[in-house]
Amino acid sequence: RKEVEQDPGPFNVPEGATVAFNCTYSNSASQSFFWYRQDCRKEPKLLMSVYSSGNEDGRFTAQLNRASQYISLLIRDSKLSDSATYLCVVSVSTDSWGKLQFGAGTQVVVTP
Amino acid sequence: DTGVSQDPRHKITKRGQNVTFRCDPISEHNRLYWYRQTLGQGPEFLTYFQNEAQLEKSRLLSDRFSAERPKGSFSTLEIQRTEQGDSAMYLCASSPQGGDEQFFGPGTRLTVL
Repeated sequence: RKEVEQDPGPFNVPEGATVAFNCTYSNSASQSFFWYRQDCRKEPKLLMSVYSSGNEDGRFTAQLNRASQYISLLIRDSKLSDSATYLCVVSVSTDSWGKLQFGAGTQVVVTP
Repeated sequence: DTGVSQDPRHKITKRGQNVTFRCDPISEHNRLYWYRQTLGQGPEFLTYFQNEAQLEKSRLLSDRFSAERPKGSFSTLEIQRTEQGDSAMYLCASSPQGGDEQFFGPGTRLTVL
């Protein structure tokens, strides 16, 4: 079983619609959580960190459920430029650093 | 450009050859990471440096792989006797001490024929 699991999609979303997807993680010692965005054949870039209380950044809302060990991302008013793969990332802290574990990604395709 | 840079961006090699990749992190980032990413998968951790010290290596990093960061600045990743299964994107990332976010370079895409 993978440590971070995501629905690969694709999620086909009409422009202006809302899309939401989750990921689950297996390590209960995970301490930090992130969503990264990766465009085709490009490097991953941090979209947002995910806090226990949930957080919002513009059209993006992230939620964390520690009890059920899942993280969600919601995108409102989808733009064509939101088309990308969204990587769920968890960090398991060791003595000196937080080791990142990536999911395989959820592909989102926003259509006109 | 003050981001993470990697060189080369693409490498095509024949099976059995050795290859070396370079990563230049963001200046003053003392943490440096190497990842490997194959199609349809997320990046997989390979190794981590804090300054010049290599603090962790993944089991994915076989004896044919070696990484160095001799002066705590740039890093190199060498693959000896390449195999077709080594074909992947090799990503480097850096972060400052105490920082959560890792900043990724554009990657080196390796194709082993």
